Amino acid sequence: GNSVTQMEGPVTLSEEAFLTINCTYTATGYPSLFWYVQYPGEGLQLLLKATKADDKGSNKGFEATYRKETTSFHLEKGSVQVSDSAVYFCALRMDTGRRALTFGSGTRLQVQP
Amino acid sequence: NAGVTQTPKFQVLKTGQSMTLQCAQDMNHEYMSWYRQDPGMGLRLIHYSVGAGITDQGEVPNGYNVSRSTTEDFPLRLLSAAPSQTSVYFCASSPTGLGFNEQFFGPGTRLTVL
Repeated sequence: GNSVTQMEGPVTLSEEAFLTINCTYTATGYPSLFWYVQYPGEGLQLLLKATKADDKGSNKGFEATYRKETTSFHLEKGSVQVSDSAVYFCALRMDTGRRALTFGSGTRLQVQP
Repeated sequence: NAGVTQTPKFQVLKTGQSMTLQCAQDMNHEYMSWYRQDPGMGLRLIHYSVGAGITDQGEVPNGYNVSRSTTEDFPLRLLSAAPSQTSVYFCASSPTGLGFNEQFFGPGTRLTVL
C-alpha cells in the first residue's frame, strides 16, 4: 500500500535558521504530494503541493520539490520565524480509488527567538 | 462561507456510550471524509463519501458508522465507545472535478473515552 515517512521531531531551531524536514513516500502509481501545517489548537491547512515529478511547490517562503527518482518531497525554508512553530505533515494522494490523503506521522517544529 | 464546521469541540464519554460527531460544509463539495489523529501516527482515514448516499470504509473503520443523506452533512457515529477511540477527529471536504482538488479540514473534535 501507499505510505509516507517523515523525520521524527521535535525539530528545534533558532529564528532565521535554515529548515529541512525530510519526507519520502511509497506509492503504486503517480501520487500528488502535499505539505500540511497544523498550528496549535487548529485543524490542518494546506501549505503547498506538487502534482507531478519535478514540480516545485512554494508558499510563505516554504518550498518542496517532487523528486520521483528518490521518491522524496523534502520541505525547506531559508529563514524560519517563531510564527512557523507548528506540526508539519507530509501527505500523498492518488487521483483514483479512495482519493484520500495518506499522511506521515508529522514533525513538530519549535522556533526559538 | 463557514467552510467545514465540526461539533462538538470537546467530548468526554464513558466506555459503552454512543455519540455522533457532526460535520458540515457549505462549499457544495461532493467528497467528504473523516480522519482520526493519534500521537506519532499522523492522520488515518476512517470513512469517506464521494456524494450523497454513497459511503465507503477507510483504513480504520471498525467501531464507526457514517451516513450521507445530504451533500452538506457527514456525521460520524460511535456505536459503543471504547478507550481506544480516544483521539482527535477531523472532517475534511473537497470537490471531485478533474485536476487538483484541495481538501479543507475542520477544526477537529477532541474525544476522550474513559
